[in-house]
Order: sequence, then structure tokens, then C-alpha cells
Amino acid sequence: GAVVSQHPSWVICKSGTSVKIECRSLDFQATTMFWYRQFPKQSLMLMATSNEGSKATYEQGVEKDKFLINHASLTLSTLTVTSAHPEDSSFYICSARDWSSGGGADTDTQYFGPGTRLTVL
Amino acid sequence: QKEVEQNSGPLSVPEGAIASLNCTYSDRGSQSFFWYRQYSGKSPELIMFIYSNGDKEDGRFTAQLNKASQYVSLLIRDSQPSDSATYLCAVNPNTDKLIFGTGTRLQVFP
Repeated sequence: GAVVSQHPSWVICKSGTSVKIECRSLDFQATTMFWYRQFPKQSLMLMATSNEGSKATYEQGVEKDKFLINHASLTLSTLTVTSAHPEDSSFYICSARDWSSGGGADTDTQYFGPGTRLTVL
Repeated sequence: QKEVEQNSGPLSVPEGAIASLNCTYSDRGSQSFFWYRQYSGKSPELIMFIYSNGDKEDGRFTAQLNKASQYVSLLIRDSQPSDSATYLCAVNPNTDKLIFGTGTRLQVFP
């Protein structure tokens, strides 16, 4: 259980174009999803929290007009990188919250999608 | 600022040995703690979570939590070369976000 998919797994685009990445929770409903970015050999960086039916919450320094997030259903969140530039080339990873049981208590847990590698030429 | 600290490594252990990965956190009110494994070029995958003081075992993995000392550790018994990866400690400080450490790179050599 708790499977998260992302599409596409990789994309190459020209500078100035927009790219949409989809994140789906396949076997559970996720009211909250998260978008991360990771540059080579660096840590995960949280970009934004995506809440179903409401506006996303962006981390400090992340341009909300450049990284558009839509969480239209309980199983789908999308990230659109608008007017992409080479510096936006990165590994974009989503995660979705689900409740896990272990040892008699429930804990909300983040499960990650496989990631999308974006290369902007 | 809420922080999660990990030694970046690499931690090198021989095959069959026990690998011990440590993590400290700053927010004393944190309630749940997670260990993720990330292979190079891949996304993180959940290994286990723990929320009570003490040990929690799952196969070759044991998570240990000490809230008084604000540390959480992960032990990997009978380490295998396939365990070579970066291990991320994550803490939920009672918000909807996880705070991640920078990860410890583990190398298991034959």
C-alpha cells in the first residue's frame, strides 16, 4: 500500500517553455501532498505544501508564480514549472501524506513518488 | 529554527557488520520520527518510523528513540552492499511538514 506515482519520470524541454508534472496517490487519498526539489549531491528542499481544494503554501524563496501547484482531487497534485530556464533543471519529487499504523498507534507518514528529472536546455 | 542534524559521512562498514546511523533534533515537542533510504538518483523510500521511546525492530533494521536526549538512531544488522545509500532522518515537529536532516551516506564494502 501507500504507493505514489509521478509522471513524467524525466523531461527535456527548451528554455521558456512550461512543464507540468503530475503526482498521484494510487491506493490512498491524500489531502496533503508536498513538492520537493533536489539538486545533485544536495539535500531535499521543500518547495511547497499542496492542500486539496485550497491554495498551496510555498516555502520562503520559492516563486509561486513560477511554480504553479494545483491539488484538484484527493489523489492528484500537479506542479507546473512556467517559463523554465536552465537553472530550473533539477530532480522534482512529490510526496503524499497517509496514515500508517505501527505498534498500536497511527502516525501520518509521507510517501514519496519516484521523482521527475527535468532538464531545461 | 527547527533542526535535524546528521553526520554526512561516509560511514564505511564491512559486509555483515552493524551500521549505526545517528540523528539529533532540536524541537523537544517532536512526536514522530522517520528513517528514509535514498539510493543515488532515486527518490527517498520509507524504512520505518518510531514515536515511542525505546527500540523498534523491523527485519534487519532497528530504530531507537530517546526523547530526553533528543536523538534517534537506525541500526542495520548484517549490512549488505545493497544497503549502500544515503539515509535520511526526518522529524515531525507537530506540523504538517517533515524536517529532514541532510543525510548520512553509508558504504558497505564486501
